[in-house]
Amino acid sequence: GQNIDQPTEMTATEGAIVQINCTYQTSGFNGLFWYQQHAGEAPTFLSYNVLDGLEEKGRFSSFLSRSKGYSYLLLKELQMKDSASYLCAPMDSNYQLIWGAGTKLIIKP
Amino acid sequence: GAVVSQHPSRVICKSGTSVKIECRSLDFQATTMFWYRQFPKQSLMLMATSNEGSKATYEQGVEKDKFLINHASLTLSTLTVTSAHPEDSSFYICSVLRGSSYNEQFFGPGTRLTVL
Repeated sequence: GQNIDQPTEMTATEGAIVQINCTYQTSGFNGLFWYQQHAGEAPTFLSYNVLDGLEEKGRFSSFLSRSKGYSYLLLKELQMKDSASYLCAPMDSNYQLIWGAGTKLIIKP
Repeated sequence: GAVVSQHPSRVICKSGTSVKIECRSLDFQATTMFWYRQFPKQSLMLMATSNEGSKATYEQGVEKDKFLINHASLTLSTLTVTSAHPEDSSFYICSVLRGSSYNEQFFGPGTRLTVL
């Protein structure tokens, strides 16, 4: 079957760094997305990885290891507005996004 | 990023009525649009894939007669929840695929449906 495994909830301090891990199993693979979703809002795109390695984009970086079925999202210089759910969504061989419940990130002052 | 709008953003209706939700791609033509549903604290669930000019493809377990999808133009797809019941209360989100590149999928702001 297809599944996503992410921690349900994480807590971090403003200004710190946090890494949100994701392991996945899919039927085929066409890249992996990370989305941010604030409560009551739709997801917004953060990153897309299709090759192994680290993609850096400002305060956010995303890493992929296809052989391990593993990805992480790294958030630096955390701000209070980063409090949200972070969704790891790999795309399977049918180009369908596979969604987990996401990781709720709580930022404390 | 692309701009996708949904209307209405919130709707409250009585049980048994039908509700239409519109999804518009504002700055490019979209052959493919997706409709998702999300219950509180749960993952997004793909309901159907909407292709312009053809019938929508529904995911297993989604009633096509209850959730009517019409993708009449390259910028508009509608989802009609027919004979809505309280268990249909959810957050409905559309997303739009730009071109044939599956890594360019943009989400609308979502529609909060509450059925009394």
